[in-house]
Amino acid sequence: DVQLVESGGGLVQPGGSLRLSCAASGFTFSTYWMHWVRQVPGKGLVWVSRINSAGSSTMYADSVKGRFTISRDNAKNTLYLQMNSLRAGDTAVYYCARVRPTGYYDYWGQGMLVTVSS
Amino acid sequence: QSALTQPASVSGSPGQSITISCTGSSSDIGYYDYVSWYQQHPGKAPKLMIYEVSNRPSGVSNRFSGSKSGNTASLTISGLQAEDEADYHCSAYTGSSSLLFGGGTKVIVL
Repeated sequence: DVQLVESGGGLVQPGGSLRLSCAASGFTFSTYWMHWVRQVPGKGLVWVSRINSAGSSTMYADSVKGRFTISRDNAKNTLYLQMNSLRAGDTAVYYCARVRPTGYYDYWGQGMLVTVSS
Repeated sequence: QSALTQPASVSGSPGQSITISCTGSSSDIGYYDYVSWYQQHPGKAPKLMIYEVSNRPSGVSNRFSGSKSGNTASLTISGLQAEDEADYHCSAYTGSSSLLFGGGTKVIVL
């Protein structure tokens, strides 16, 4: 079965850093593009970042550009999101998701809460 | 790009049909047949219900159907059941390998 298991969330002070991980299993991770999506509790989903299958091409939402870095280790079947200079507005549940070529997510991680607060 | 527009809530009685709209622009929904819909129960991850406007993944009830006209996509739930009460999110491909989402619609089963 396909599984995406996230880890690394928690409470961090404004200006701090956090790294999320998303461990993939049950499929050939190295052949799929992956995305990060976030959701403020009670609000809608917001696309954050994407990475191609090889890890050679990345893209970011304007709200996180220059502060967040998406990466992957295909040998470890793991996706990452390094989040620096965190702000209160980054507080959200972060999901990793497997994306298909026509832009839909067929599998999601369980979600990881990131709280930015002093 | 702005988020897609969805109604905040839609309600219906068991057995009825309801339709949720998702309005975008000629650059996303109006240009590509790459609209998807997700169901999300409280505290859970989203679940794919419809992809490429009207396709249902294996295991999703045929009570769920999708369509598109111009810049607006729609999700219809027929034979509404208590278990359908959840948030529903639409998403559209923007052509730059990024995706737009709607604000989400709460479906209330009366």
